[in-house]
Amino acid sequence: DAGITQSPRHKVTETGTPVTLRCHQTENHRYMYWYRQDPGHGLRLIHYSYGVKDTDKGEVSDGYSVSRSKTEDFLLTLESATSSQTSVYFCAISDGYSNQPQHFGDGTRLSIL
Amino acid sequence: GQNIDQPTEMTATEGAIVQINCTYQTSGFNGLFWYQQHAGEAPTFLSYNVLDGLEEKGRFSSFLSRSKGYSYLLLKELQMKDSASYLCAVRDGGNSGYSTLTFGKGTMLLVSP
Repeated sequence: DAGITQSPRHKVTETGTPVTLRCHQTENHRYMYWYRQDPGHGLRLIHYSYGVKDTDKGEVSDGYSVSRSKTEDFLLTLESATSSQTSVYFCAISDGYSNQPQHFGDGTRLSIL
Repeated sequence: GQNIDQPTEMTATEGAIVQINCTYQTSGFNGLFWYQQHAGEAPTFLSYNVLDGLEEKGRFSSFLSRSKGYSYLLLKELQMKDSASYLCAVRDGGNSGYSTLTFGKGTMLLVSP
């Protein structure tokens, strides 16, 4: 299994508070991704990174920011959480070769009350 | 943009064969992936197609027709453990990690005894 660790695995917080989710990989892969998964919407890309300090927006980036200061860590921050950001968040990694899949972490279940 | 369609739900009987279809309309295409996701777990990679034709991997096969924007996942000798959601994902654009995946909403397969 790909070495991907997401933390925390579960979090409950209140509207308006800042939240940071962490994705840590031990595969030395260049590419890392943050998705959210909601019923009726499937997996949607929030932000992705193609190297240290190199990031770009995905389909649903509003309200989220990311940072990647070293290869192994990719952080997702909700500056001021809203109830609409209640979701399951998945991190994924890939080595960038076209025939290689993205591998996913176990997810973080985030509830914003 | 990308538009990916899959049936929402399917049911089948243990030991049978089931075909899950996926159609897509995309602005770019660089491969199609199938993932399996059990409830409460991360998606796991099943298959990859970039050329037309059938790819077989044990009980699972995947087919692609690029001219028709169509793929299917074929599951043979169904087992109870195959009850899961099956996600179709299309890779856009370039031949590198800069390209991203767009996921369909998933097909929930229920296998009954």
